[in-house]
Amino acid sequence: GAGVSQSPSNKVTEKGKDVELRCDPISGHTALYWYRQSLGQGLEFLIYFQGNSAPDKSGLPSDRFSAERTGGSVSTLTIQRTQQEDSAVYLCASSSDRREADTQYFGPGTRLTVL
Amino acid sequence: GESVGLHLPTLSVQEGDNSIINCAYSNSASDYFIWYKQESGKGPQFIIDIRSNMDKRQGQRVTVLLNKTVKHLSLQIAATQPGDSAVYFCAENKEIKAAGNKLTFGGGTRVLVKP
Repeated sequence: GAGVSQSPSNKVTEKGKDVELRCDPISGHTALYWYRQSLGQGLEFLIYFQGNSAPDKSGLPSDRFSAERTGGSVSTLTIQRTQQEDSAVYLCASSSDRREADTQYFGPGTRLTVL
Repeated sequence: GESVGLHLPTLSVQEGDNSIINCAYSNSASDYFIWYKQESGKGPQFIIDIRSNMDKRQGQRVTVLLNKTVKHLSLQIAATQPGDSAVYFCAENKEIKAAGNKLTFGGGTRVLVKP
């Protein structure tokens, strides 16, 4: 596609429910990143994919958070047993991961609200 | 325009004036820096980047300056327009290819353009 897309754009859920957030990166981009942005805060790194593997999961805040990527394209971020502190905007970015073009391009984000 | 650091979260600038946004980074090993613009309800939008082997790079109406001696990055916007009103984030990465190019973001500066 022309840019990174994410769905849903907004998600309201009840505490304790599981949610899945989807990211479609720019076609051909091998690197994919998930970030979280809490209200009024900067962006916090969650996880990085190179192809279908995740060499860096260091930013995942707890074992309730997991992510996968299939076919080197679409990625899903899953949050189990959501808590109110999980409320944030979840942003996905992709890059071609070539040395001369490492720019990360972001999607519009998914705003998650946990009631 | 007025020069501010990221510890002052808002920069008000008159339309047509130049804006300067400053950012201090902490990791002397970082070798890639990016400025993003984020409008309300949208994901971060790439503005300009610079590698550590450069000290200046120019784009359309924007210039990024890098001072590695004092670990300082700045974004200059020429002839600021109402559409420039947004939050601006600087980001840095340490080039560890095995771990990807995860970005560490600053806290952001809000730019308000007064007509």
